[in-house]
Amino acid sequence: AQSVTQPDIHITVSEGASLELRCNYSYGATPYLFWYVQSPGQGLQLLLKYFSGDTLVQGIKGFEAEFKRSQSSFNLRKPSVHWSDAAEYFCAVGEDNTDKLIFGTGTRLQVFP
Amino acid sequence: EAGVTQFPSHSVIEKGQTVTLRCDPISGHDNLYWYRRVMGKEIKFLLHFVKESKQDESGMPNNRFLAERTGGTYSTLKVQPAELEDSGVYFCASSPLGAGELFFGEGSRLTVL
Repeated sequence: AQSVTQPDIHITVSEGASLELRCNYSYGATPYLFWYVQSPGQGLQLLLKYFSGDTLVQGIKGFEAEFKRSQSSFNLRKPSVHWSDAAEYFCAVGEDNTDKLIFGTGTRLQVFP
Repeated sequence: EAGVTQFPSHSVIEKGQTVTLRCDPISGHDNLYWYRRVMGKEIKFLLHFVKESKQDESGMPNNRFLAERTGGTYSTLKVQPAELEDSGVYFCASSPLGAGELFFGEGSRLTVL
């Protein structure tokens, strides 16, 4: 069965530091991969998605993610974190290439000034 | 353009009572999804409507949950009778057909005491 693993439940970084959030997936075919963010009091917002093509995808708010098939990973990165990036981040895989998503458990990001 | 709206934002009820959650999708979006996140766990798929038809309800926990989408517009999710384990955040999402991206609401937090 398809699954998504986000091994880090909680990450704390200083403002201006670089960030990498890990995501591993289990999926038989070429996956559709997503990163969503939920800021306090907000709904889930799509940061970026990978369907095919270039394995390095750019998203909103300066985020990027790299699809590595050999490692079954889709890690999210940002070179310099801002205090407003404090939120919970969810990695997801599209099941059977549909809009139905399987989510990881989320990583809560805390940013210190 | 209005996003996906959900009501109520938070509901506190006692075990055995009934609660109805409502979701208004983005206008014109034929796909409507319900997801649920119980505390500390992943966001899990509940069901999927295409217009007024249930396309996939494989994630519905049991027959205490009833979802409807009359006329293919807004949707309701009724829990009757509510149990303690039903507590969590219920997310609604919508998308146009074949979009490959879900637009989420802010969620309805349900607390069952």
